[in-house]
Amino acid sequence: EAGVAQSPRYKIIEKRQSVAFWCNPISGHATLYWYQQILGQGPKLLIQFQNNGVVDDSQLPKDRFSAERLKGVDSTLKIQPAKLEDSAVYLCASSLRDEQYFGPGTRLTVT
Amino acid sequence: ILNVEQSPQSLHVQEGDSTNFTCSFPSSNFYALHWYRWETAKSPEALFVMTLNGDEKKKGRISATLNTKEGYSYLYIKGSQPEDSATYLCAFRENNNDMRFGAGTRLTVKP
Repeated sequence: EAGVAQSPRYKIIEKRQSVAFWCNPISGHATLYWYQQILGQGPKLLIQFQNNGVVDDSQLPKDRFSAERLKGVDSTLKIQPAKLEDSAVYLCASSLRDEQYFGPGTRLTVT
Repeated sequence: ILNVEQSPQSLHVQEGDSTNFTCSFPSSNFYALHWYRWETAKSPEALFVMTLNGDEKKKGRISATLNTKEGYSYLYIKGSQPEDSATYLCAFRENNNDMRFGAGTRLTVKP
């Protein structure tokens, strides 16, 4: 079974620029998550989708971050404009029941 | 304890040593405790899901115990190998809600 795919794997941008990340979950997994992992901290949930509906986006900084999951499959996470403190690894995960399966993440560096 | 805490933050051991680390979590409203192994540039990999007080799980040389009444879980690695080098994350779930991650223990095994 193919795992969770993410792209790009690495991205370097300047502050105030925009960036987008893509996630393709495991086929058949209804729930999709985006996490932000800042160096030295644990992953923090940004947004959770159930099919194409948002279940929880309470920790998503909505003034600059947006996410969508069209057709309940792939998802994109966008940051516009980026700040220095957005430098982190962005992890996507999907689940069918209790266990979450993670992608390899996108490492974002904002200079 | 309000947050999920892991100790130590980092650990360096020699090949063949046995080691263990701790995950502490809130002891109320427990639903599940997850352990993940995260190797650099790879996806976090699920090791264990623990749900019952007194649970002990084993996977090869790695094992874990759970005490929900006092709010801690131990991860043990017997006879560490260089390929065990990774960050070990625990995540606490309260009442089937979102996973709250600790900051991880970074293990380095020297040949």
